[in-house]
Amino acid sequence: DTAVSQTPKYLVTQMGNDKSIKCEQNLGHDTMYWYKQDSKKFLKIMFSYNNKELIINETVPNRFSPKSPDKAHLNLHINSLELGDSAVYFCASSQDLKSGQWYNEQFFGPGTRLTVL
Amino acid sequence: RKEVEQDPGPFNVPEGATVAFNCTYSNSASQSFFWYRQDCRKEPKLLMSVYSSGNEDGRFTAQLNRASQYISLLIRDSKLSDSATYLCVVGSGGYQKVTFGTGTKLQVIP
Repeated sequence: DTAVSQTPKYLVTQMGNDKSIKCEQNLGHDTMYWYKQDSKKFLKIMFSYNNKELIINETVPNRFSPKSPDKAHLNLHINSLELGDSAVYFCASSQDLKSGQWYNEQFFGPGTRLTVL
Repeated sequence: RKEVEQDPGPFNVPEGATVAFNCTYSNSASQSFFWYRQDCRKEPKLLMSVYSSGNEDGRFTAQLNRASQYISLLIRDSKLSDSATYLCVVGSGGYQKVTFGTGTKLQVIP
């Protein structure tokens, strides 16, 4: 059973287009994330949601808009795609924290490889 | 200074060798530390958490040095299947917000 799934796996599109990436987790987790991994393999947090509420919003162009219809889904919509948006986008999820915890293991989806031409 | 820094490598080691990676972090208030592993064109996966007292999981040993602000990962008796990129991960601010290092690439050679 797939724990964190993303669609599509590959996305090739022209500059200026608008595209969406979908993410779903069946782990019952309350927190979900979007990360961007660039060509230098640097993995950087973009957004995170806890129970459908935005809690982390890093310095990301406002062309990127996350949406969480429920706690099992976190989608990413990108407007007016640019060449620099080409990267692998990973969705991840983690359990809510228990008392005394600071962080939990994050489970990643397989990634969406976005190429902007 | 980057929040989390790692030597990118690659580290090319023969099978059976012992190899160690270090990672430094800049925020002295950091609370949680992890090593993740990422295979080529795959997603990162948790390898192990790093505890203050140090911890071991089979051939893997992780250590934390808060005074010098670094964590380390030691791999003994390297296997071909250990070839991957090892990501140092530090939690230091915000709800479950962690920062990933750029990774250290390990290649184990037959």
